[in-house]
Amino acid sequence: KNEVEQSPQNLTAQEGEFITINCSYSVGISALHWLQQHPGGGIVSLFMLSSGKKKHGRLIATINIQEKHSSLHITASHPRDSAVYICAVASGAQKLVFGQGTRLTINP
Amino acid sequence: EPEVTQTPSHQVTQMGQEVILRCVPISNHLYFYWYRQILGQKVEFLVSFYNNEISEKSEIFDDQFSVERPDGSNFTLKIRSTKLEDSAMYFCASSGDIQPQHFGDGTRLSIL
Repeated sequence: KNEVEQSPQNLTAQEGEFITINCSYSVGISALHWLQQHPGGGIVSLFMLSSGKKKHGRLIATINIQEKHSSLHITASHPRDSAVYICAVASGAQKLVFGQGTRLTINP
Repeated sequence: EPEVTQTPSHQVTQMGQEVILRCVPISNHLYFYWYRQILGQKVEFLVSFYNNEISEKSEIFDDQFSVERPDGSNFTLKIRSTKLEDSAMYFCASSGDIQPQHFGDGTRLSIL
């Protein structure tokens, strides 16, 4: 059974700061997902990756398969980035195992 | 951009009643999922569905739960006799082969 741990659980930063959220998992995976959940509850997929690094706008996701670790970075953070960021992993079958989420608050 | 749509957005039901949550996945997707999130907790997998049958289910998905794809477009989750602990946000998701899952906005289920 895969365990997914995220850190930190809560993060508050000032607008413009560089943000890093970490995710560790216990068992080998086929893919890792970063998701964003807004206060209304809806979930949006940000990245799906199985190796290396992906970039989309101000968001960057990296994964180290050997160390079973992934990071999500936000450059030039903005208040609209405030949300819960969730790491989820897939092992073989497509079902996802979720971390507990990181609540990010960006103050103006 | 195509979206996964879920109805209703909020369902209030008396304990012991049956409830059906509805989802319309993205039309060319092959895999369909239900997840739930109890307030303040992490999202949990319930069931995955592929080629008109359940491909995997969790311990949570007991005999009270069932899924159907009745008409080739809708994907439903039925809870036969609801319990207080079924109160949660239920998310439907769909994906193509080796692709990110697209989530609906969820149905908030409140059991009284």
